[in-house]
Amino acid sequence: EAGVTQFPSHSVIEKGQTVTLRCDPISGHDNLYWYRRVMGKEIKFLLHFVKESKQDESGMPNNRFLAERTGGTYSTLKVQPAELEDSGVYFCASSRSLTEIHEQYFGPGTRLTVT
Amino acid sequence: QKEVEQNSGPLSVPEGAIASLNCTYSDRGSQSFFWYRQYSGKSPELIMSIYSNGDKEDGRFTAQLNKASQYVSLLIRDSQPSDSATYLCAVYSSASKIIFGSGTRLSIRP
Repeated sequence: EAGVTQFPSHSVIEKGQTVTLRCDPISGHDNLYWYRRVMGKEIKFLLHFVKESKQDESGMPNNRFLAERTGGTYSTLKVQPAELEDSGVYFCASSRSLTEIHEQYFGPGTRLTVT
Repeated sequence: QKEVEQNSGPLSVPEGAIASLNCTYSDRGSQSFFWYRQYSGKSPELIMSIYSNGDKEDGRFTAQLNKASQYVSLLIRDSQPSDSATYLCAVYSSASKIIFGSGTRLSIRP
């Protein structure tokens, strides 16, 4: 079974530019999560999809961040326009169903550097 | 007060000894608890989950949970150099999201 994959692995952009991160969850996993780890801080929840619906987006920092999961498969997280404080590692995770909602499997992350 | 607290370490343990990692949490309504291992530059890997008070053993790993004390721990027996990593404690809170601690760096010295 293939794991969670993320693309790109690393992105360097200038302040004010736009970046789109992609996550492909484990096949058959309805739940998809985005997290972010800023340097020196703990991993923070951003949002949670159940299939194509946003279940909880309380962790999204502001309206410069937009997440989508059209069709309930892969998800994208767009940052527009990027700011310096958006730098960090963005992780995606997935879990199978509501009964296994707690056991999440993480992707390798995308390291975003905003200069 | 952080929602999930861990000692940042580094915790240095000789090879073959028992490594003990501790975590406390603030939300009494939390029901599920996890330990993730994260090697440098890699993604967190789920190694243990525990849902009820007491001990849960899986190979060299034992997770311990005490909900009354809001305390969860991870013991690693017969520590190996390959166990050197950052260990993240995570709690599924009553707000229906996973809250991570900042992690404890563990170093196993040969």
